Amino acid sequence: DVKVTQSSRYLVKRTGEKVFLECVQDMDHENMFWYRQDPGLGLRLIYFSYDVKMKEKGDIPEGYSVSREKKERFSLILESASTNQTSMYLCASSFVRIYNEQFFGPGTRLTVL
Amino acid sequence: GQNIDQPTEMTATEGAIVQINCTYQTSGFNGLFWYQQHAGEAPTFLSYNVLDGLEEKGRFSSFLSRSKGYSYLLLKELQMKDSASYLCAVRSGWGAGTKLIIKP
Repeated sequence: DVKVTQSSRYLVKRTGEKVFLECVQDMDHENMFWYRQDPGLGLRLIYFSYDVKMKEKGDIPEGYSVSREKKERFSLILESASTNQTSMYLCASSFVRIYNEQFFGPGTRLTVL
Repeated sequence: GQNIDQPTEMTATEGAIVQINCTYQTSGFNGLFWYQQHAGEAPTFLSYNVLDGLEEKGRFSSFLSRSKGYSYLLLKELQMKDSASYLCAVRSGWGAGTKLIIKP
């Protein structure tokens, strides 16, 4: 079975802090994604990566950056956390065709105070 | 996603059938996905349609009409464990999800 893990289930940070969310997948997937999920808005794509060191902006990249130094690991960085970044963050991975089935991690509930 | 519309919430009875609709607008159609998401959990894949017609998988079926920009997910013989949100996704993004409540 594909396993996608995220570094934390719950995280509380203060405004202005730098926040790192990490995601690891064990199926050698080329594609990795970061989403945020907010009530009534559905999943919104922040960034995705189709290869090591490659990244593409999604629909809402502002205030975020990403890093993919190894194929299995995709990190989301909030350079200076703000309260409007309080959300559920979901990582996913898939094989090379972007519209293949995505496998999701359990999510990180981030609260920014 | 604002180009994808699903009902916000639906209620159905255990043992019954329910149909969850999804309408979409997207350029360069690459297929439509349905995912199930239980409260507090990650979405899990249910189905993928890229050609018109009905795809059946056990109690769940998914239908696609590309010309109408329309899909539905059909759930038969509903069980309490089917209480979840159902997400529709295409190239342009994800629907907000339909929360399905199953009553005994």
